[in-house]
Amino acid sequence: NAGVTQTPKFQVLKTGQSMTLQCAQDMNHEYMSWYRQDPGMGLRLIHYSVGAGITDQGEVPNGYNVSRSTTEDFPLRLLSAAPSQTSVYFCASSYSKARREAFFGQGTRLTVV
Amino acid sequence: AQSVTQLGSHVSVSEGALVLLRCNYSSSVPPYLFWYVQYPNQGLQLLLKYTSAATLVKGINGFEAEFKKSETSFHLTKPSAHMSDAAEYFCAVSAQGAQKLVFGQGTRLTINP
Repeated sequence: NAGVTQTPKFQVLKTGQSMTLQCAQDMNHEYMSWYRQDPGMGLRLIHYSVGAGITDQGEVPNGYNVSRSTTEDFPLRLLSAAPSQTSVYFCASSYSKARREAFFGQGTRLTVV
Repeated sequence: AQSVTQLGSHVSVSEGALVLLRCNYSSSVPPYLFWYVQYPNQGLQLLLKYTSAATLVKGINGFEAEFKKSETSFHLTKPSAHMSDAAEYFCAVSAQGAQKLVFGQGTRLTINP
């Protein structure tokens, strides 16, 4: 098992550009989520999905879109990048409500200039 | 609403000394509680979890945590620190009825030779 795979690992965007951060898991987990990590703020939930076709907003959803067409993939789209979106982004997955420990990808470090 | 407070953004101990990282949570229902570790430029790795079984939970790398309902705490300890324990540690809570994880701000652990 590869676990949770995120691509790319690093990205530099110009203000106003759009891009998609990719996330894939091969553990057949039903729950997937995206977090951003900023110094001194821990991890904050952006969006999450409890299964294919079902997504919902987390704590900081503005400026981001998600979709979940398959169990395995959960891409995060930045619609129009802003410097405030400079952060490290983590994708995570967990098996179910009964086994909810999250498995994390290695992260994507995004810089918006 | 759930929340997590980690007391101390930075803890420094000597090699061989006791490690104590503090976590207090707020949850309206009995929660699931987790400790994660993050090494530099990596994703988060699960150290241990509390899921309403034993109140003293043992994890990987010699860490353990005790759930104290009366104090709403879930402090992480290790009897003897090792240089390889230097990392950032995150406490997280998930309420029984939800699958979302809410993270604390993190505590950076430094080990002095």
